[in-house]
Amino acid sequence: DVKVTQSSRYLVKRTGEKVFLECVQDMDHENMFWYRQDPGLGLRLIYFSYDVKMKEKGDIPEGYSVSREKKERFSLILESASTNQTSMYLCASRLDRRGNIQYFGAGTRLSVL
Amino acid sequence: QKEVEQNSGPLSVPEGAIASLNCTYSDRGSQSFFWYRQYSGKSPELIMFIYSNGDKEDGRFTAQLNKASQYVSLLIRDSQPSDSATYLCAVGGSGGSNYKLTFGKGTLLTVNP
Repeated sequence: DVKVTQSSRYLVKRTGEKVFLECVQDMDHENMFWYRQDPGLGLRLIYFSYDVKMKEKGDIPEGYSVSREKKERFSLILESASTNQTSMYLCASRLDRRGNIQYFGAGTRLSVL
Repeated sequence: QKEVEQNSGPLSVPEGAIASLNCTYSDRGSQSFFWYRQYSGKSPELIMFIYSNGDKEDGRFTAQLNKASQYVSLLIRDSQPSDSATYLCAVGGSGGSNYKLTFGKGTLLTVNP
């Protein structure tokens, strides 16, 4: 079974803090994704990484950055957290560009106060 | 902007009935289609994928795809209370965006005992 692990289920941070969300997959997948999910807006792609040190912006990258130094780990960074970044964050991984099935982690519910 | 539309719901069916969930998409070049199930407070879980026109069956679940009409559906036979969840339709991108999944906002299904 594919396992995608997100480091925290719940996180509470203050406005202006730098926030790191970590995601690890154990299936040697090339591609990894960060989404946020908000009521009424659905799942929206923040960033995508197709290989180590490679990244592409998704639909809503503003206010976020990412890091992928190792194949199994993909980090989402909120440089200066704001209240409008309160959301559920979901990490996903996929084998490669030919295998289109994405597998999700359990999610991190982030509250920015 | 590529779009995926789902019937807004909520959809309520009695136990044992057939639940029918529908999805339309705007990108004519899309080649891959997915149904995810999401329980409240949990992450999406893949239940079906379909790439070719026609029907694909897996246990109580049947996915139906009609690329000419840009329509994909999910039928759940003999619905159980444990099927109560939000169902997300996801459509793979085309061309240079083939890594990307675009999600619908989901349909909430309630199965009443």
